[in-house]
Amino acid sequence: IAGITQAPTSQILAAGRRMTLRCTQDMRHNAMYWYRQDLGLGLRLIHYSNTAGTTGKGEVPDGYSVSRANTDDFPLTLASAVPSQTSVYFCASSPTGLQPQHFGDGTRLSIL
Amino acid sequence: GESVGLHLPTLSVQEGDNSIINCAYSNSASDYFIWYKQESGKGPQFIIDIRSNMDKRQGQRVTVLLNKTVKHLSLQIAATQPGDSAVYFCAERLRYNNNDMRFGAGTRLTVKP
Repeated sequence: IAGITQAPTSQILAAGRRMTLRCTQDMRHNAMYWYRQDLGLGLRLIHYSNTAGTTGKGEVPDGYSVSRANTDDFPLTLASAVPSQTSVYFCASSPTGLQPQHFGDGTRLSIL
Repeated sequence: GESVGLHLPTLSVQEGDNSIINCAYSNSASDYFIWYKQESGKGPQFIIDIRSNMDKRQGQRVTVLLNKTVKHLSLQIAATQPGDSAVYFCAERLRYNNNDMRFGAGTRLTVKP
């Protein structure tokens, strides 16, 4: 079934550790996004990529980095995790930035 | 009702009734709006969208109404079913940035059998 695959589904991580959340889509969408979802705040954009080879900062980019080496993959890296990064992370994609986004099922990340 | 960025309200309806979920947005520069449904443990799922040059759009059992004068968006679900129980949230896109979608916190809809 076409869609977005995120891994891992959940993770408990010690503060200070490095962590990469994986996201792969098989819909050949140009645009990809990373969001975090915290209770009462809704989804907030971390980073985005309009096409392979380009990335941009969203609303809450600090402490996160991304890369877009190809169309399908858009990994999100926490260089040195902090407890405030405890959240549910969603990856999304869309054919272009002007169309609705398709979401993965998220990674639940807890930083201790 | 719901405002983008505020707390999570709840709505409880009887199976078969119509549901209306509201969303107030604050940015008059927003030109595109989307409603999403999110079930527990799942990612958001696209329901319906509307552009700012329209005031109504219908889908299968769902209708979105846009009132730009008061910056209000609503989602109407006809003949609500137990499978409609989920969190619903609206998103707005700012006209000058295609990547800047702002999401509301959502409304939890519970359908009683």
